[in-house]
Amino acid sequence: GIQVEQSPPDLILQEGANSTLRCNFSDSVNNLQWFHQNPWGQLINLFYIPSGTKQNGRLSATTVATERYSLLYISSSQTTDSGVYFCAVLQTTGGGNKLTFGTGTQLKVEL
Amino acid sequence: DGGITQSPKYLFRKEGQNVTLSCEQNLNHDAMYWYRQDPGQGLRLIYYSQIVNDFQKGDIAEGYSVSREKKESFPLTVTSAQKNPTAFYLCASSPTGRGDGYTFGSGTRLTVV
Repeated sequence: GIQVEQSPPDLILQEGANSTLRCNFSDSVNNLQWFHQNPWGQLINLFYIPSGTKQNGRLSATTVATERYSLLYISSSQTTDSGVYFCAVLQTTGGGNKLTFGTGTQLKVEL
Repeated sequence: DGGITQSPKYLFRKEGQNVTLSCEQNLNHDAMYWYRQDPGQGLRLIYYSQIVNDFQKGDIAEGYSVSREKKESFPLTVTSAQKNPTAFYLCASSPTGRGDGYTFGSGTRLTVV
């Protein structure tokens, strides 16, 4: 099956710093998503970004599907950005669609 | 407000017992999913269902069972055959035919004692 790798696995930032998270995938995909999991376990969809660039406030994401990677940018980080960031790719099977997740980047933003 | 409700939030089970985790959604989504998350790891797919009365095994289905008798409900049973059931379980739903729109519940933390 498709492999999804994320880097770095862990990241500690001072509040106000910027960061870039990377997601590499092993096969062609037509659907990539970024999620944030807060410290209480809730997953929130950040971006649906099969290709190109999108921005939402201090967050933006870029996917280069031909080179099989996606980047998530966090600018002016805040303590509320802490948690785990996952990328996930969609696979279409005979039984329907399913998301395959990477192992995540654990982010901690400190004052 | 529409969303996904998982219950209970915390669950303790004795070894050898079956336990059922509840997942209900009022988003009118056709597709529903169960994922397992272990500490420091990503989510792994257990089962998924695109339509009522039909479901498919995911990557780690052994020791689990599901049913999809109603569009709104997708309960997961962790059986005694699951060797390492202690984990965080997440339910999700999405509209069929779309790649986006995934919504997750708040999870059930299962501990075997």
